[in-house]
Amino acid sequence: AQSVAQPEDQVNVAEGNPLTVKCTYSVSGNPYLFWYVQYPNRGLQFLLKYITGDNLVKGSYGFEAEFNKSQTSFHLKKPSALVSDSALYFCAVRDIVGDYKLSFGAGTTVTVRA
Amino acid sequence: DTGVSQNPRHKITKRGQNVTFRCDPISEHNRLYWYRQTLGQGPEFLTYFQNEAQLEKSRLLSDRFSAERPKGSFSTLEIQRTEQGDSAMYLCASSLDAGQQFFGPGTRLTVL
Repeated sequence: AQSVAQPEDQVNVAEGNPLTVKCTYSVSGNPYLFWYVQYPNRGLQFLLKYITGDNLVKGSYGFEAEFNKSQTSFHLKKPSALVSDSALYFCAVRDIVGDYKLSFGAGTTVTVRA
Repeated sequence: DTGVSQNPRHKITKRGQNVTFRCDPISEHNRLYWYRQTLGQGPEFLTYFQNEAQLEKSRLLSDRFSAERPKGSFSTLEIQRTEQGDSAMYLCASSLDAGQQFFGPGTRLTVL
């Protein structure tokens, strides 16, 4: 079975500083990995995905993520955080056996202070 | 705005009542998914449709839950005899085949 772990419930950074949100995964076979962001009273918004190819994936709003197969990690990064990046972030892995189900981590709340 | 809409956005009901939620996917998407998100947790898969066919149901979907997608367009999720443990955010998503899943804003259910 696929699973995702987000080891930090909360991440606090100052505006302008680098932001990292950690994610590790467990799958059998090659992983399909995703990052979503959720703002209050809104649905999940897609940020980026890793399917295959370059280990550094660039996504929306200046976010990027680095796939590391040996460490089974897919950390989300942003070089310079904005106050508007404050939100709830979810890492997800897609089921390999069935290409329909996303399995999500518990989420990481990011707070960027001005 | 992803284009997936859900109604109602909020629903408050008393224990034992039935509730029904609606999801309208992006029009060209043939797959539709339902997830449930409880406080402090990530979304959990409930079920999905390929066109009008319901192809998979999670064990989380007890016999009090039923979902339909008539004619492969909108979908409804009904919960019968609601329990307090059903209180959650119910998220709908759609995709074209196995592509990116686009999520709606969710329906927040509170069972008193």
